[in-house]
Amino acid sequence: RKEVEQDPGPFNVPEGATVAFNCTYSNSASQSFFWYRQDCRKEPKLLMSVYSSGNEDGRFTAQLNRASQYISLLIRDSKLSDSATYLCVVRILTGGGNKLTFGTGTQLKVEL
Amino acid sequence: NAGVTQTPKFRVLKTGQSMTLLCAQDMNHEYMYWYRQDPGMGLRLIHYSVGEGTTAKGEVPDGYNVSRLKKQNFLLGLESAAPSQTSVYFCASSYEKTGRANYGYTFGSGTRLTVV
Repeated sequence: RKEVEQDPGPFNVPEGATVAFNCTYSNSASQSFFWYRQDCRKEPKLLMSVYSSGNEDGRFTAQLNRASQYISLLIRDSKLSDSATYLCVVRILTGGGNKLTFGTGTQLKVEL
Repeated sequence: NAGVTQTPKFRVLKTGQSMTLLCAQDMNHEYMYWYRQDPGMGLRLIHYSVGEGTTAKGEVPDGYNVSRLKKQNFLLGLESAAPSQTSVYFCASSYEKTGRANYGYTFGSGTRLTVV
């Protein structure tokens, strides 16, 4: 079983739609959670951290359910520029320090 | 402020050749990492470093070596390239403080390596 699992998609949605991505993680010792965005043939970039209380950044809302080991990302009013792959990422603090484990990503295509 | 810079951006190697990928960061970050990204596999950690002069193995270290002689540089070496090492390689860095849980990584733009 992969440590971080995501539906690879693609999710094809019309502009203006609301879309939600889900992610599950297997290690209950995971401490921090993130969503990264990766454009085609580019490096991943931090989109937002995910907090237990849930957090919002403009059109983006992230939720964490530690009991179910489940993370979600909601995008409202989708824009063409939101088309990208969204990576779910978890961090486990070990003796070696801050190491992130990445999901394989969910591809989003926003269409006219 | 350049952030994380990787060189080269593209490279084609023949099987058995060696090369070094360079990663440089100007953010005074303590931690640096090398990942490879393959279709359907996600990003996998090759090696990482928690400070100048230190290195450690990640998830897929075989066939690679690294060095961190200076805090700002992290080198990834392929001693004898194999077709299985065809991939996109990303370097990343992070500022780490014990107890600060939500630091993300800053990535370089990647090196696309093909081994034929």
